[in-house]
Amino acid sequence: NAGVTQTPKFQVLKTGQSMTLQCAQDMNHNSMYWYRQDPGMGLRLIYYSASEGTTDKGEVPNGYNVSRLNKREFSLRLESAAPSQTSVYFCASRATAGEQYFGPGTRLTVT
Amino acid sequence: QQQVKQSPQSLIVQKGGIPIINCAYENTAFDYFPWYQQFPGKGPALLIAIRPDVSEKKEGRFTISFNKSAKQFSLHIMDSQPGDSATYFCAVNSGGSNYKLTFGKGTLLTVNP
Repeated sequence: NAGVTQTPKFQVLKTGQSMTLQCAQDMNHNSMYWYRQDPGMGLRLIYYSASEGTTDKGEVPNGYNVSRLNKREFSLRLESAAPSQTSVYFCASRATAGEQYFGPGTRLTVT
Repeated sequence: QQQVKQSPQSLIVQKGGIPIINCAYENTAFDYFPWYQQFPGKGPALLIAIRPDVSEKKEGRFTISFNKSAKQFSLHIMDSQPGDSATYFCAVNSGGSNYKLTFGKGTLLTVNP
């Protein structure tokens, strides 16, 4: 039982490049989330998926797209990376009672 | 508008001390108040959570105190240990049944031996 897994762990992009961050959970949860964490800012919600086939915007969605591929997988795509998207990205899945379980994160640097 | 304000930003205590971290929120519709613990290089992990129908919840050495009328909740760590040194985040559920969490900015706790 791996919980929530994320790939890659680290990534360096040049401005304008694109990439997809992958997330998978093996806890059979319906809801999944993408957050970004910046120093002194806490975690901020980018997008979430309440169930397979649905996605919705969070607090900071601009510059990102998501895909809920199936119940297990929820990916985050940066179409044209900008330095302002340098951050640590966390995926989470939620149990029925509300607890969110976080992955280990992806550290992204955009130069 | 910041939906949840967390204080202090950092806190240093001696082993055995009782650090207290506070959070204040604005919206009385929030219905779920978790605390997360994060170690460097790791993802946040749920520590303890409370709902507004109770005023206190204890799990081991960790206690949440909840004051609905003041719109405040706090985390107390009893008999703190150096291994408790981490960043702590409070959060509120601002999304109803979707559980969209809004996080405080975090408190860096250092417990000295």
